[in-house]
Amino acid sequence: RKEVEQDPGPFNVPEGATVAFNCTYSNSASQSFFWYRQDCRKEPKLLMSVYSSGNEDGRFTAQLNRASQYISLLIRDSKLSDSATYLCVVTDRGSTLGRLYFGRGTQLTVWP
Amino acid sequence: SAVISQKPSRDICQRGTSLTIQCQVDSQVTMMFWYRQQPGQSLTLIATANQGSEATYESGFVIDKFPISRPNLTFSTLTVSNMSPEDSSIYLCSVEGNGYTFGSGTRLTVV
Repeated sequence: RKEVEQDPGPFNVPEGATVAFNCTYSNSASQSFFWYRQDCRKEPKLLMSVYSSGNEDGRFTAQLNRASQYISLLIRDSKLSDSATYLCVVTDRGSTLGRLYFGRGTQLTVWP
Repeated sequence: SAVISQKPSRDICQRGTSLTIQCQVDSQVTMMFWYRQQPGQSLTLIATANQGSEATYESGFVIDKFPISRPNLTFSTLTVSNMSPEDSSIYLCSVEGNGYTFGSGTRLTVV
């Protein structure tokens, strides 16, 4: 079983739509959680960290459910520029010296 | 967060040869990480490089194939040795800081 599993996608949505991505992780001891964005032929870039209380950054909302070992990312009012692959990432300890585990990513295409 | 300069950005190499990838960080970092991203796949950790000690390799990766140097706290190299077409991939370095920051990647094609 993979450490991190994500919706396979791809997701194709019109501009303005709301889209949600899900991710599950297998290690209950995982401590830090992130969503990364990776554009085609580019390196991954941090989109947002995910906290137990949930967090919001503009149109993006991340949720963490430790009991279910489940992470989500909600994108509201999708823009063309949101088209990318979204990677769910967890670490197996606190961020210092933590080992990252990556999901395979969910591809999002926003069309006009 | 740290800024990483990675090079080369891409290369096409003959099988049997070796390629060394460099990452320079604009600040001192304790650990640097090297990843591989094969086509259509997510990132897989190759090894963790600590300054002044041997790198720690993940299962499936060995030092003879992927030797790593870490001469100081701002620099590391990864060598892909005796390359075969199966080594065609994107290789990325990473450091911790505001989450984790990645170099821009090296797109390697082995022919």
